[in-house]
Amino acid sequence: AQSVTQPDIHITVSEGASLELRCNYSYGATPYLFWYVQSPGQGLQLLLKYFSGDTLVQGIKGFEAEFKRSQSSFNLRKPSVHWSDAAEYFCAVGGPIYNQGGKLIFGQGTELSVKP
Amino acid sequence: EAGVTQFPSHSVIEKGQTVTLRCDPISGHDNLYWYRRVMGKEIKFLLHFVKESKQDESGMPNNRFLAERTGGTYSTLKVQPAELEDSGVYFCASSQDRGGSYNSPLHFGNGTRLTVT
Repeated sequence: AQSVTQPDIHITVSEGASLELRCNYSYGATPYLFWYVQSPGQGLQLLLKYFSGDTLVQGIKGFEAEFKRSQSSFNLRKPSVHWSDAAEYFCAVGGPIYNQGGKLIFGQGTELSVKP
Repeated sequence: EAGVTQFPSHSVIEKGQTVTLRCDPISGHDNLYWYRRVMGKEIKFLLHFVKESKQDESGMPNNRFLAERTGGTYSTLKVQPAELEDSGVYFCASSQDRGGSYNSPLHFGNGTRLTVT
């Protein structure tokens, strides 16, 4: 079955500390992986995506993610968290565009709180 | 460019009533998607339009849900009659290319929070 697991429902980090949000996926074909962020009252914004090539991908707002096929993981990282990063983060997986047509499978989300 | 717009932002209705949600995609985007997040669970795919045609409606929960996209522009999602389990946040997304991959990611609206009491 196709699925995405985000083990941490809620994480709290101090401002300036490093961050890693975990994502594990189960997918029968080559996965196309995404991280989205939803700030309060806002829609989902794409942080970064991975299709192929270099397994370390850079995104917006200083985020990066590393694809590890052997671990079926696509963890999101940021070296130094800012208070404005407080939001909910979603990992998602999809298939090749001509097979899946944009149907993404999302994880349950990880809510990030930032302490001053 | 204007983003994906959804109306209303919030809706509170009683069980058995009808509610219609609207989504205006980004101009020129042929692909329009509806997703739903129920009770803090994962966001789930409902259906996909290409222009005015339903490409994939495999995620629609039951026949109380009716989605339309007349003229290939805006889309509506009607729930009739609404049940308690329909409460959640309904997201609309659009993309220029099918799949929202590569150079054409999915652009999401802010969502409509539906509460059925």
